[in-house]
Amino acid sequence: KAGVTQTPRYLIKTRGQQVTLSCSPISGHRSVSWYQQTPGQGLQFLFEYFSETQRNKGNFPGRFSGRQFSNSRSEMNVSTLELGDSALYLCASMRTGLSSYNEQFFGPGTRLTVL
Amino acid sequence: ELKVEQNPLFLSMQEGKNYTIYCNYSTTSDRLYWYRQDPGKSLESLFVLLSNGAVKQEGRLMASLDTKARLSTLHITAAVHDLSATYFCAGAQGGSEKLVFGKGTKLTVNP
Repeated sequence: KAGVTQTPRYLIKTRGQQVTLSCSPISGHRSVSWYQQTPGQGLQFLFEYFSETQRNKGNFPGRFSGRQFSNSRSEMNVSTLELGDSALYLCASMRTGLSSYNEQFFGPGTRLTVL
Repeated sequence: ELKVEQNPLFLSMQEGKNYTIYCNYSTTSDRLYWYRQDPGKSLESLFVLLSNGAVKQEGRLMASLDTKARLSTLHITAAVHDLSATYFCAGAQGGSEKLVFGKGTKLTVNP
């Protein structure tokens, strides 16, 4: 069974540019969450999408946005990049269902460097 | 708002020794997760703890949950070099799938 895939794996951008990251969840999983990991702030939740709708949102500025397509693939976009946006961006895939919890499976991440 | 604190943040230990990583959380958490991350890699799920008194073991790692104390522990038994990694605990609250992570514990196991 294929895992969560993220593209691209590495990205270098300059300040002021925008970037789009992509995440394909595990087949059959309908929820996708995004997390930002930096040495200073650690792992922080960005947002979660389920059935093409944003279900939860973290405390990030409006420059960070996302969407989910009908095939559950998700993209996140960061506009007007700042140096502080340099981070590892992780996508997590989840089946969702009637169980009391839903395990999140993480992708390999996209390493974004802003110069 | 849920906050998660881990300690220690850095742990250097010798092979064969035992140690415990602690994870405290500030408010009720529906469930508690432990993840492992190797350098430059993604997060690997280790354990999910759902109820008070839950204990799970996999190899040399054992995780437990005390919801009354708002404390989870990850116990390492007879450490080996392959366990060197950063370990994160994370909580989730109110039915939300938003995970709140601790800062992580960087474990180094020396021969």
